[in-house]
Amino acid sequence: DIQMTQSPSTLSASVGDRVTITCRASQSISSWLAWYQQKPGKAPKLLIYKASTLESGVPPRFSGSGSGTEFTLTISNLQPDDFATYYCQHYDSYPLTFGGGTNVEIK
Amino acid sequence: QVQLVQSGAEVKKPGASVWVSCKASGYSFTGYTIQWVRQAPGQRLEWMGWISVGSGVTQYSQGFQGRVTITRDTSASTAFMYLSSLTSEDTAVYYCVRETLMGAFFDYWGQGTLVTVSS
Repeated sequence: DIQMTQSPSTLSASVGDRVTITCRASQSISSWLAWYQQKPGKAPKLLIYKASTLESGVPPRFSGSGSGTEFTLTISNLQPDDFATYYCQHYDSYPLTFGGGTNVEIK
Repeated sequence: QVQLVQSGAEVKKPGASVWVSCKASGYSFTGYTIQWVRQAPGQRLEWMGWISVGSGVTQYSQGFQGRVTITRDTSASTAFMYLSSLTSEDTAVYYCVRETLMGAFFDYWGQGTLVTVSS
């Protein structure tokens, strides 16, 4: 199984900051990576797929990059609505696996 | 608009089984694959399995050791997830999700169903 490791697990930031979350795969997954945002008590929401393609309706302050085994999610100009937990997920092969999550909290 | 509406919360005793339903609307049900993902308290999301709604073909995570079954009723636009031999470790929120046509990632999620396993 491909293991997905996210860092950091918690990130404290202020409105207006630029934040970066890293996701590493235990083996190459090409660009088959998605990012989701989850708020407490809610289902995750798709943000980015194929490592860097923004889902329709997602603000352009979200961006993704990377390929192979290392990927990043960047949120520029952090907004109050962005405080949430973020997960990466590979879809290179089955079984699908998710990262452990990064909680972006208010500093 | 696309919606996946799941059945309500369940409380089960250890050793019991549970059915969770997922009613789809707003799109062609048979044209997509439905997957199931769960999230135990404070844990990462865990993939369970999928069903190709049009063909009925399924694939399951080996981590469930044959305890999970996914079915569908195309006439009712509803998918079902059955999990047997429940233990406390199965306490989680269970989500049905729609797989996109571009790959095995998920553009629509059900609201989640909390299954609590407790004696």
